[in-house]
Amino acid sequence: DTGVSQNPRHKITKRGQNVTFRCDPISEHNRLYWYRQTLGQGPEFLTYFQNEAQLEKSRLLSDRFSAERPKGSFSTLEIQRTEQGDSAMYLCASGQGAFYEQYFGPGTRLTVT
Amino acid sequence: AQSVTQLDSQVPVFEEAPVELRCNYSSSVSVYLFWYVQYPNQGLQLLLKYLSGSTLVKGINGFEAEFNKSQTSFHLRKPSVHISDTAEYFCAGSLIQGAQKLVFGQGTRLTINP
Repeated sequence: DTGVSQNPRHKITKRGQNVTFRCDPISEHNRLYWYRQTLGQGPEFLTYFQNEAQLEKSRLLSDRFSAERPKGSFSTLEIQRTEQGDSAMYLCASGQGAFYEQYFGPGTRLTVT
Repeated sequence: AQSVTQLDSQVPVFEEAPVELRCNYSSSVSVYLFWYVQYPNQGLQLLLKYLSGSTLVKGINGFEAEFNKSQTSFHLRKPSVHISDTAEYFCAGSLIQGAQKLVFGQGTRLTINP
């Protein structure tokens, strides 16, 4: 069991650039989540997939954010025209079936300069 | 509004002392509650969970928590802490029946002093 993996672990970008993050869930987990965590705060929910279907999106997910999960396996989170306020840790989690627990990856830390 | 509140932002304790990290939730429906631990520059690791049944749940690393419906609390306890327990602890809940997202508290930084 290799756990949830995320790439890259760190990303520094200039304001206005586009960035894309990847998440590989635990094998056979059908649920996948994205959260955002800013310094000193708990994670905030962004979006949720069951298999390839995106079932819920937070108000935090502005039109500059888009997430996909083609074929129900890995997922990508893209941020277009990054702003300094997008600087945060982006966490991915996965879960299986009817169980509510979620298993988190190490996160991608984004710094927008 | 449905929410999870961690009452202490920082808790300093001495090594081998007991500790309690407090968590309260707000919900009008059934809840599932979790405690996660986050070490510096890492993701979150599940410590324990309450889904149903016994209100006292035991987790990894010697931690346990008690679900109290009347007080809407889910406090985390450990009878004797170690230096290695120094970390950020998050209480989280799935507060809406059928919803999949977790709502997190603000976190409690546990610092163990020798």
